[in-house]
Amino acid sequence: DTEVTQTPKHLVMGMTNKKSLKCEQHMGHRAMYWYKQKAKKPPELMFVYSYEKLSINESVPSRFSPECPNSSLLNLHLHALQPEDSALYLCASSSWTGANTGELFFGEGSRLTVL
Amino acid sequence: DQQVKQNSPSLSVQEGRISILNCDYTNSMFDYFLWYKKYPAEGPTFLISISSIKDKNEDGRFTVFLNKSAKHLSLHIVPSQPGDSAVYFCAATPSGGNEKLTFGTGTRLTIIP
Repeated sequence: DTEVTQTPKHLVMGMTNKKSLKCEQHMGHRAMYWYKQKAKKPPELMFVYSYEKLSINESVPSRFSPECPNSSLLNLHLHALQPEDSALYLCASSSWTGANTGELFFGEGSRLTVL
Repeated sequence: DQQVKQNSPSLSVQEGRISILNCDYTNSMFDYFLWYKKYPAEGPTFLISISSIKDKNEDGRFTVFLNKSAKHLSLHIVPSQPGDSAVYFCAATPSGGNEKLTFGTGTRLTIIP
């Protein structure tokens, strides 16, 4: 199983809503990532979890709250978002062990629209 | 400040010919480089990588060349096939781990049958 599964594929929410994006992998990877991609822009790193601990937060606003309940799951909790937060949110995982392994496995993404 | 740049937003190549996608970077701390391919409605998929200790890495139809002094890398696809039509992202990371992967802006490659 070399898949990273993201749900939901599409999400529309109002600025006062609370919602969550979910990501799951069963490859035994110990590093998981959230990336944000706006139209015609490259993916931008948001958060990295390694061994279920938050290792990188790229100065992401607190209205985005990541959670790693276990080594297979990664959530992104959303609250009080702005319309400019509308984007494709990509989850990825890797078998990173502190050396350059290179390959990130990406999910298909969750397309978020904030009204 | 875009540290990884792909100056050609799009490229069209005849089927069977060589596709050359280019990437430039500015951060001298980068020493590991990757290419990802992305189809619509799918996440990026890893294609090929190269470490700064090499200047060439080959995998089947795909070859990546690295010119460290020019801070430039290129991806060659030969022969190009219709299934190669996708957006290609160059990515780079400093030594010590692939956590902080910085992506380029992408090049949309279209293979003309």
